[in-house]
Amino acid sequence: GESVGLHLPTLSVQEGDNSIINCAYSNSASDYFIWYKQESGKGPQFIIDIRSNMDKRQGQRVTVLLNKTVKHLSLQIAATQPGDSAVYFCADATGANNLFFGTGTRLTVIP
Amino acid sequence: NAGVTQTPKFQVLKTGQSMTLQCAQDMNHNSMYWYRQDPGMGLRLIYYSASEGTTDKGEVPNGYNVSRLNKREFSLRLESAAPSQTSVYFCASTELIAKNIQYFGAGTRLSVL
Repeated sequence: GESVGLHLPTLSVQEGDNSIINCAYSNSASDYFIWYKQESGKGPQFIIDIRSNMDKRQGQRVTVLLNKTVKHLSLQIAATQPGDSAVYFCADATGANNLFFGTGTRLTVIP
Repeated sequence: NAGVTQTPKFQVLKTGQSMTLQCAQDMNHNSMYWYRQDPGMGLRLIYYSASEGTTDKGEVPNGYNVSRLNKREFSLRLESAAPSQTSVYFCASTELIAKNIQYFGAGTRLSVL
């Protein structure tokens, strides 16, 4: 079956450094992905999305890279801030009725 | 603009009790979803409603029922709560069912004793 997984359950970075969170997927037909941020006690919050006709997409301080050859995507956060501390999920949103979420990476920013 | 609103935020039930989780969205979205999130896991789909008047089962529908009351509201009912239903429940909505961003509520934390 389909699966989406994150490489590391936890990641700690120094404030001001760049963060890279990785995600792998199994379905070669997947063509739309969303990154969500979930802070403690809150619902997932949309960060950025990418479709398979793109290799890279940039937002404010965030960049998502998609490598379809190896079925891998990453979220890069520039100049990480304490407010970036949260759990980050990649979700395969290709399906008509569901998001397939990975298990999440908990990012901790060290002041 | 409130987005997706869930009530209640917290609930404690005894085994066998029933309750309804409420969800409302003010974004005029067509599709709505109910997920559950267990510790250390991603979200799993319980039920969804592609449009007003339709509902369908997701990955983990057993023990739950839903009602799409109107375009704005989508409720989740536990008829006879079990400890295995202790979880955090999230409602989400999206403009169209396919390949669109889902927007989430803040969640309902449910404990079944």
